[in-house]
Amino acid sequence: KAGVTQTPRYLIKTRGQQVTLSCSPISGHRSVSWYQQTPGQGLQFLFEYFSETQRNKGNFPGRFSGRQFSNSRSEMNVSTLELGDSALYLCASTRGTANTEAFFGQGTRLTVV
Amino acid sequence: EDQVTQSPEALRLQEGESSSLNCSYTVSGLRGLFWYRQDPGKGPEFLFTLYSAGEEKEKERLKATLTKKESFLHITAPKPEDSATYLCAVPATTSGTYKYIFGTGTRLKVLA
Repeated sequence: KAGVTQTPRYLIKTRGQQVTLSCSPISGHRSVSWYQQTPGQGLQFLFEYFSETQRNKGNFPGRFSGRQFSNSRSEMNVSTLELGDSALYLCASTRGTANTEAFFGQGTRLTVV
Repeated sequence: EDQVTQSPEALRLQEGESSSLNCSYTVSGLRGLFWYRQDPGKGPEFLFTLYSAGEEKEKERLKATLTKKESFLHITAPKPEDSATYLCAVPATTSGTYKYIFGTGTRLKVLA
């Protein structure tokens, strides 16, 4: 079956701009989580959406937001980009029940200049 | 505080030289431990889930084991294609937020 699809794979943006990333989960998976990965901090949890509702949220500023559509596809938005937002952004999908394995997409590499 | 620590940070092995990676965790009530493999510039690839102490899972040259405080990923007779970063993660609820806490990984390099 098809895996988790993230688009675009690469992005270069300027400080102050905003960006939207997209994630299509595995068919039948209802939960989508977003992570930021940087060399210094590793994988940091941003938020999780389940059935179009944000179910969990990590410790990131309000510039980071997301949403989920009725087909479980999710988008993540970052406004007023800062240089420190440069990272690999990963989304992961699960069936939605707790404590089950998450399957990751290939990620979106965001570079802020 | 819920925490996951992996060691060593980096490991270089000769092809065929077996070794083990460690993942130690402190979390209230373990509800599973997950191992992933990540290649550069790509997303983590799921390897194993372990739920209870004493449990073991195997896949090709990899075997994961779990105790009450740590998990080991044993690599037997590794090949260069096993070179990757190996991550472990545990689910935890912190300040009302349920999430997977990841270790910073072990970067494995297998030399031919």
